[in-house]
Amino acid sequence: GQNIDQPTEMTATEGAIVQINCTYQTSGFNGLFWYQQHAGEAPTFLSYNVLDGLEEKGRFSSFLSRSKGYSYLLLKELQMKDSASYLCAVKDSNYQLIWGAGTKLIIKP
Amino acid sequence: NAGVTQTPKFRVLKTGQSMTLLCAQDMNHEYMYWYRQDPGMGLRLIHYSVGEGTTAKGEVPDGYNVSRLKKQNFLLGLESAAPSQTSVYFCASSYEGLDTGELFFGEGSRLTVL
Repeated sequence: GQNIDQPTEMTATEGAIVQINCTYQTSGFNGLFWYQQHAGEAPTFLSYNVLDGLEEKGRFSSFLSRSKGYSYLLLKELQMKDSASYLCAVKDSNYQLIWGAGTKLIIKP
Repeated sequence: NAGVTQTPKFRVLKTGQSMTLLCAQDMNHEYMYWYRQDPGMGLRLIHYSVGEGTTAKGEVPDGYNVSRLKKQNFLLGLESAAPSQTSVYFCASSYEGLDTGELFFGEGSRLTVL
């Protein structure tokens, strides 16, 4: 079966750095997405990786290793507004998105 | 720019009742999707459409029907609501011509079936 694993919950301190991991087992691979979802709101797009390596976008970076079936989202200089759930999703060989359950990130002052 | 709009935002139904959720997008996207989101689970695809007049089943289609009569609208119907359909429903759209195929989501519709 297809599976996306990510930690259920993480806690970090304002101003610090946090890494949210995502491992996947899917039938084929056509890209990996990270979305941010604040409580009670819609998911919003953060990043997309299709080749191995690091993609940087401001305070957020996303890394992909296709051989290891692994990705991480790195958040730097954490702000209180970064408190949200972070969803990892993989596009499989049929171009269907398989979603992880999300990681709830709690930022403490 | 409204993006993706869902109505209603909240609804309470009794078991056996029917209802329709409406999704409208103003971005001229070809692809539209209906997902449900339940605690502790990833988003699950109910039905999707790759263009006006077309629909296809997703991962969890049972108990739902959809229609895409106009490119900008995608309707999700519950024929006979069941408590297991209590969930938050998200509509999304995408323009698959983009390399990333990024999804744009509506604000969600919270449905409770008693």
